[in-house]
Amino acid sequence: EAQVTQNPRYLITVTGKKLTVTCSQNMNHEYMSWYRQDPGLGLRQIYYSMNVEVTDKGDVPEGYKVSRKEKRNFPLILESPSPNQTSLYFCASSSQGLNTEAFFGQGTRLTVV
Amino acid sequence: GENVEQHPSTLSVQEGDSAVIKCTYSDSASNYFPWYKQELGKRPQLIIDIRSNVGEKKDQRIAVTLNKTAKHFSLHITETQPEDSAVYFCAEGNFNKFYFGSGTKLNVKP
Repeated sequence: EAQVTQNPRYLITVTGKKLTVTCSQNMNHEYMSWYRQDPGLGLRQIYYSMNVEVTDKGDVPEGYKVSRKEKRNFPLILESPSPNQTSLYFCASSSQGLNTEAFFGQGTRLTVV
Repeated sequence: GENVEQHPSTLSVQEGDSAVIKCTYSDSASNYFPWYKQELGKRPQLIIDIRSNVGEKKDQRIAVTLNKTAKHFSLHITETQPEDSAVYFCAEGNFNKFYFGSGTKLNVKP
């Protein structure tokens, strides 16, 4: 089954404790993106990747890192999480550029206390 | 986001009525305009999309119209049903830039 898988689904952590949210897709898509969803603000792009070892900043990259060492994986790293990073995070993949259908993961609800 | 404005933020209609959601954008280089539906607690899923060389597209009860000159596009849902209740996001962009609207919460009352 074609899918995008994120882990964990829920995470509560403390300020400053490094964490990684994993994202994996099995559709051989070149493009992968991370979004955060906050009430009234919609989905805002954090980072995206056009292919292995190629990443670029989205609208709200501050406080986040990503890596794309393999085509299927695109982890999101928070080196020193802060409470303003409490949000719902979605990973997405698309086949040929951001202007094709995006397939989203199940979401990760992150709370930073 | 700032690049695309979506209205209204909430919309309540009676079952069987039509619902219209509108978005405006600013980047004339945008060539892709999808609409995503997000049910409560679920992931966004594409319901319809349109490209800049097309003015209108229809899929059963759902249609999207695009006015490139005025830089706005709209989602039309006819004969609404309770299962249409969800948050709808418009989006716009091109090959390497993409922005979502802030969302419209649609409530279809039985």
